[in-house]
Amino acid sequence: SQQGEEDPQALSIQEGENATMNCSYKTSINNLQWYRQNSGRGLVHLILIRSNEREKHSGRLRVTLDTSKKSSSLLITASRAADTASYFCATDASFKTIFGAGTRLFVKA
Amino acid sequence: GAGVSQSPSNKVTEKGKDVELRCDPISGHTALYWYRQSLGQGLEFLIYFQGNSAPDKSGLPSDRFSAERTGGSVSTLTIQRTQQEDSAVYLCASSFGRPGELFFGEGSRLTVL
Repeated sequence: SQQGEEDPQALSIQEGENATMNCSYKTSINNLQWYRQNSGRGLVHLILIRSNEREKHSGRLRVTLDTSKKSSSLLITASRAADTASYFCATDASFKTIFGAGTRLFVKA
Repeated sequence: GAGVSQSPSNKVTEKGKDVELRCDPISGHTALYWYRQSLGQGLEFLIYFQGNSAPDKSGLPSDRFSAERTGGSVSTLTIQRTQQEDSAVYLCASSFGRPGELFFGEGSRLTVL
């Protein structure tokens, strides 16, 4: 079964709005990562947050981690049409990286 | 090469045939992963190689699936007696140790008729 589960499954917003995606996981982790996927092919790494970190920023991305709730969120600010993609969280537990089911984000121009 | 290379990019085969999918990771990366992704779905973990340790095969869906990694570099995923439900994109990723960023190939799209 999946270690991480994203919420919502799909999200449609207007360009310029913020997009928030959530990830919940089941077991203790060493780190949590977010990836982006275009067109169902290879994934691209966005950001990694370690278990002892609570928040991390990278450009228009903001990631939070709450280990007590076993959850993380990815915020994309001032979204652009080019942000349209699927976003996955991935957790590093039991010495391997496991992905969630993903959130499909559609940004309308 | 600079990135993870997978071949073939597309493979169409008939039910019952065997297929081999190849992954050439980034040079120096000790960890190599295989995942499977069905249309519109998430990534299903298949197998994980880390250095010279025994691989974690816990995600392989049946004994028709096997993988090897030769010389700590190139990996081959073999599917024997393919079934229609094996149709998916097979993604390979590598990383330098753990925890770490995974670098993905573009995947091999397998279609079993």
